[in-house]
Amino acid sequence: QLVLTQPPSVSGAPGQRVTISCTGSSSNIGAGYDVHWYQQLPGTAPKLLIYGNNNRPSGVPDRFSGSKSGTSASLAITGLQAEDEADYYCQAYDNYLSGSWVFGGGTKLTVL
Amino acid sequence: QGQLVQSGAEVKKPGASVKVSCEASGYTFTGYYMHWVRRAPGQGLEWMGWINPNSGDTNYAQKFQVRVTMTRDTSVSTVYMELSSLRSDDTAVYYCASKKSGSGRGLDYWGQGTLVTVSS
Repeated sequence: QLVLTQPPSVSGAPGQRVTISCTGSSSNIGAGYDVHWYQQLPGTAPKLLIYGNNNRPSGVPDRFSGSKSGTSASLAITGLQAEDEADYYCQAYDNYLSGSWVFGGGTKLTVL
Repeated sequence: QGQLVQSGAEVKKPGASVKVSCEASGYTFTGYYMHWVRRAPGQGLEWMGWINPNSGDTNYAQKFQVRVTMTRDTSVSTVYMELSSLRSDDTAVYYCASKKSGSGRGLDYWGQGTLVTVSS
């Protein structure tokens, strides 16, 4: 049973906007802990995409944005490009069971 | 720019142990917590725990509490993750990833991954 819930897959045509949701609970996102997002391209290590809910590391295009409200968070990608096809994961701290980091189940983005 | 370099792929039999290393460079080794994350075939990312290279303190995910040990050697800027009593479902790519101590950032630097295959 995953602590953070994401849709298994989303898709969109080039140029479109897509969003990926991440639903948590009162022991993680709802407790005020920051949400981070990672992008994992096929055959590569994950890469930090968004940190602290809505901040982009240097080098990440502003087509990627994050938001958080209540017990949920979202990743939005605008101007979809073929190279955005990847797996995306949300991650947060969870204070249940002596505290741990948790990942969402991941969302496969397909660019049509 | 920080870089993490992991040891090579391993093939182990069920019941054995595996020890994966992760050498850091390009940043202050003791200033970043080192996490371990794995991804099994067809599955998502799974957090295993972290080690504070400065103090040696650790925090393991409950699932791995009795089987995982994370250590560090500050003289060579390297952390190690040992997983014991291996089962077939431990077959996965194991990543080390670091986060700056006290920052609100996520996992900034990632190793290239180490494939561990458990098979009889």
